[in-house]
Amino acid sequence: SQQGEEDPQALSIQEGENATMNCSYKTSINNLQWYRQNSGRGLVHLILIRSNEREKHSGRLRVTLDTSKKSSSLLITASRAADTASYFCATVASGSARQLTFGSGTQLTVLP
Amino acid sequence: DAGVTQSPTHLIKTRGQQVTLRCSPKSGHDTVSWYQQALGQGPQFIFQYYEEEERQRGNFPDRFSGHQFPNYSSELNVNALLLGDSALYLCASSPLPGLASTGELFFGEGSRLTVL
Repeated sequence: SQQGEEDPQALSIQEGENATMNCSYKTSINNLQWYRQNSGRGLVHLILIRSNEREKHSGRLRVTLDTSKKSSSLLITASRAADTASYFCATVASGSARQLTFGSGTQLTVLP
Repeated sequence: DAGVTQSPTHLIKTRGQQVTLRCSPKSGHDTVSWYQQALGQGPQFIFQYYEEEERQRGNFPDRFSGHQFPNYSSELNVNALLLGDSALYLCASSPLPGLASTGELFFGEGSRLTVL
C-alpha cells in the first residue's frame, strides 16, 4: 500500500516559475527521499532528508520536513521544460533497512 | 561504471504463464530490491535480497519469488500470471548501510510486463 499522498496530483506551470509539491506520510520515519521519473522509465534519486533535519538544499531543489505533521515539501525553483516528469516522495520507516514506501506522485508539466 | 541493468525491457505474457525478470546491480552494490509500479501509481516494494537471502518482503503473494546470485545479480519470478500483474517492474540496488551509504537507491529502467 502507498505510504501517503502527494499533492497536487498534477501541476502545470510556465518555464521560470517555481513548482511546489507536497507529501504526507503515516508512520515514523528514518528519512524521506524524493525521486524523479521520466515517463515510463526508471526513478532517479534527487535528495534525501533525515528525520532530524528540517530543510535541505541541492541546486534548484529545496526540501522541507515537518515530522510533527508527517509532511514534506519539494520546491523546484526557476523551472525548466526539462523538469517535466513525475515526482515521488518515498519514506524509509524507522528500523527498516532501505525499504522505500512511495507516495502516489505528482505529475509536473513545465510549459516552454 | 555501469548502473543498474534490467532485462528484458518489455515482454508480453498470457494469463497463467510464468515470467523471470533479471537485474544486475550497480558496481559495488550488494543489496537488490524489487518494486512493482502499476500505471499511474507509485512503486510498491516487493522484496529485498542481500547475501543471497530474502531479507524483507512487502505485501505480495507467494507467486512472487526471487533469487540473488553470488555476483549480487538477482531474478524476480512471477508464477500463474494474472492480468493485474501487468506493470513496470523496477530493480534497485544499494550498498550496505554505513559510511559509504547515503541511503538512496539506484534504479534500473525497468521491465514492462503486459499480461493478456
